Amino acid sequence: GENVEQHPSTLSVQEGDSAVIKCTYSDSASNYFPWYKQELGKGPQLIIDIRSNVGEKKDQRIAVTLNKTAKHFSLHITETQPEDSAVYFCAAIPNDYKLSFGAGTTVTVRA
Amino acid sequence: EAQVTQNPRYLITVTGKKLTVTCSQNMNHEYMSWYRQDPGLGLRQIYYSMNVEVTDKGDVPEGYKVSRKEKRNFPLILESPSPNQTSLYFCASSWTITDTQYFGPGTRLTVL
Repeated sequence: GENVEQHPSTLSVQEGDSAVIKCTYSDSASNYFPWYKQELGKGPQLIIDIRSNVGEKKDQRIAVTLNKTAKHFSLHITETQPEDSAVYFCAAIPNDYKLSFGAGTTVTVRA
Repeated sequence: EAQVTQNPRYLITVTGKKLTVTCSQNMNHEYMSWYRQDPGLGLRQIYYSMNVEVTDKGDVPEGYKVSRKEKRNFPLILESPSPNQTSLYFCASSWTITDTQYFGPGTRLTVL
């Protein structure tokens, strides 16, 4: 099955700085890579996703890059704000119907 | 309002006492799944259902059962709960596996 590794496990950044979270996956057949944000006491919510035929996708302050050759993808948050503080999960989906998540990154934005 | 609901939100029980956590979605989604969230392990898929006719195991199905008798409901059943099933559980639904997963608010289960 798919194995997704996520780094770092915790990340503290100064407000206004950028945050980068990296994930690697094992199954070369994986073709869909979503990122979820989980705020305290809530269920995860999709913030951005990327498919295997695209190398980069951007949505305002959030961007995701995908390197299929190296089997890794990254989340980039620019101009971080206090409301970006949360747990972020990457995920990968191979050709079966299971969704494999990384272990999560706790992001803290310092004011 | 489009949503996934779970009940109960909090549950404390004892070893061996059968319990059911309900999950319901009002978005007519085909795909539904259950996850457990544990510190340092992220979200791990327990079971998933592609539609009312197909249900299959995720990565950690041991000790759990599910049922998909109708499209909107996907209950999680613990026939004989054990302390290692103490966790935070999430139900989610989507059109397909490669569409946005909508998560419920979570059920915090403690098995003594």
